[in-house]
Amino acid sequence: DAEITQSPRHKITETGRQVTLACHQTWNHNNMFWYRQDLGHGLRLIHYSYGVQDTNKGEVSDGYSVSRSNTEDLPLTLESAASSQTSVYFCASSESLAYNEQFFGPGTRLTVL
Amino acid sequence: EDKVVQSPLSLVVHEGDTVTLNCSYEVTNFRSLLWYKQEKKAPTFLFMLTSSGIEKKSGRLSSILDKKELSSILNITATQTGDSAIYLCAVEAETSGSRLTFGEGTQLTVNP
Repeated sequence: DAEITQSPRHKITETGRQVTLACHQTWNHNNMFWYRQDLGHGLRLIHYSYGVQDTNKGEVSDGYSVSRSNTEDLPLTLESAASSQTSVYFCASSESLAYNEQFFGPGTRLTVL
Repeated sequence: EDKVVQSPLSLVVHEGDTVTLNCSYEVTNFRSLLWYKQEKKAPTFLFMLTSSGIEKKSGRLSSILDKKELSSILNITATQTGDSAIYLCAVEAETSGSRLTFGEGTQLTVNP
């Protein structure tokens, strides 16, 4: 069965370190998205991609970057982790046509000390 | 900027009760409204609504969109403890390229 996976599921790091969160989907979806979820804010879009070599900034992109070298993967990198980036991170994907729901990965809980 | 507001933010009910969750939105060039259920992990898709007044149903859950009032409701009848979750509402604009704007969510707790 097609799926979307994230790794690691839990991560503890220190302020200033570079961290990369992996997202892999086997749906063959063109669209991929990264969100963070915090109490009081719901899901907020960090970065998104409509296909290979395409990346775009979302509403909370400062301090994060992504790259898309193939259809299946969209890794999220925190350049220099900050305590404000402690959050739960979700990756999602969808087909490129309109009126298609997004499918979410299981999430990564990141703690920055 | 697109905006989604959900109410109430939290709700505690007893098994068997009927609940109504609200979602209002401000979006330029509305395309669709989506409901998701989030238990302890990933949000899972419930409904997509695009046309006003047409009810979507799945078992005890139903939802309807009112484009005139820029809102949607999610009804759950005969609630069960397994309905305990965060319910998320999101909107998609014609110009958003499949991006979704989410509300804060409603935390529903169903007690036995």
